[in-house]
Amino acid sequence: GENVEQHPSTLSVQEGDSAVIKCTYSDSASNYFPWYKQELGKRPQLIIDIRSNVGEKKDQRIAVTLNKTAKHFSLHITETQPEDSAVYFCAASGGGGADGLTFGKGTHLIIQP
Amino acid sequence: NAGVMQNPRHLVRRRGQEARLRCSPMKGHSHVYWYRQLPEEGLKFMVYLQKENIIDESGMPKERFSAEFPKEGPSILRIQQVVRGDSAAYFCASSPSGLGFNEQFFGPGTRLTVL
Repeated sequence: GENVEQHPSTLSVQEGDSAVIKCTYSDSASNYFPWYKQELGKRPQLIIDIRSNVGEKKDQRIAVTLNKTAKHFSLHITETQPEDSAVYFCAASGGGGADGLTFGKGTHLIIQP
Repeated sequence: NAGVMQNPRHLVRRRGQEARLRCSPMKGHSHVYWYRQLPEEGLKFMVYLQKENIIDESGMPKERFSAEFPKEGPSILRIQQVVRGDSAAYFCASSPSGLGFNEQFFGPGTRLTVL
């Protein structure tokens, strides 16, 4: 089955700086890669996703890149703000069907004022 | 358009009791996924259901756990004879289509505590 590794587990950046979170996956058949933000005690919320037919997607301060050959994808947050502090999870699914998501273990992002 | 609904939000059970968790998908969604999140960990896929069908239960423990999504009413995750290790947050998610590529919307979760 699919295995998703996520790094780092904790990331502390100064407000206004950029943050990058990286994930690798094992199943070359995976074709859908969402990123979720989870605040303490809350539900995971989708912030951006990318499908295997594109290499990059951007939405305001958030961007995701995908390298299918290397089987890794990354989340980039620019101009970080205090409200970006949360746990971020990458995930992978696909294989042509409707699979459950395989999640990474999460990155605790801390924005230092 | 109401989002994914889950109840109860918090559930306390003693060891050996049954826990029953409910999930109502978003309007127009016919695919439901259940995930378990242990403290300080990511979410683990448990089961994927469509109306009246279990599509993938590869993440479900072999014993004590079962899930259903009847033609009418919410999806239910049932845990029989709960043990302390079952304490976790259980999230369900729904999507409008099972043909891949569709984002999953999560409910607020049910936090199960086993005493």
